[in-house]
Amino acid sequence: DTEVTQTPKHLVMGMTNKKSLKCEQHMGHRAMYWYKQKAKKPPELMFVYSYEKLSINESVPSRFSPECPNSSLLNLHLHALQPEDSALYLCASSQPGQGAREQYFGPGTRLTVT
Amino acid sequence: QKEVEQNSGPLSVPEGAIASLNCTYSDRVSQSFFWYRQYSGKSPELIMSIYSNGDKEDGRFTAQLNKASQYVSLLIRDSQPSDSATYLCAVFRVRGWGKFQFGAGTQVVVTP
Repeated sequence: DTEVTQTPKHLVMGMTNKKSLKCEQHMGHRAMYWYKQKAKKPPELMFVYSYEKLSINESVPSRFSPECPNSSLLNLHLHALQPEDSALYLCASSQPGQGAREQYFGPGTRLTVT
Repeated sequence: QKEVEQNSGPLSVPEGAIASLNCTYSDRVSQSFFWYRQYSGKSPELIMSIYSNGDKEDGRFTAQLNKASQYVSLLIRDSQPSDSATYLCAVFRVRGWGKFQFGAGTQVVVTP
């Protein structure tokens, strides 16, 4: 099973709202990632969790708050977002450590901030 | 110099022909190389990974790696309209913790 699932598929939120994006994988991977992708651009790394610990934060604004409750779940909590945060948010997972690092992406959440 | 460079395209390919996509990278210690296909509005889908110099074939896809030249390519044989997509080259960097660096992507358009 090489599936990564994400909910919701689409999200529209106002700048004062609080919402969360969810990601789940059942591949036994111990590294999980959040990416942001704008139209016609490649994915930009936001956060990396390795063994449920935050290992990379790519200087992401504090209005984005990641959480990894267990090895299968990854959340991204959103608060006081700006219209420029509208994008496709992708979750991915892989095995951590050296060696093969194939990352498998979920279908993404299309976020619109109004 | 960008860490991972790809021609943005669009690369127009007649149906049944070979599509050739190129990717160069700047960090010599990069270990692993990946090609993703991304349809418009969808998420990236892993189609090939390659770790050693030489060719790796999987169905209609062949990845080629030349670490001395810091070059990785993807060939798509017998191109089909369903191959029309953006192809992202990703390089796994070892420096620091290690993370993927994506190229900007090459748009491929297969014309019937």
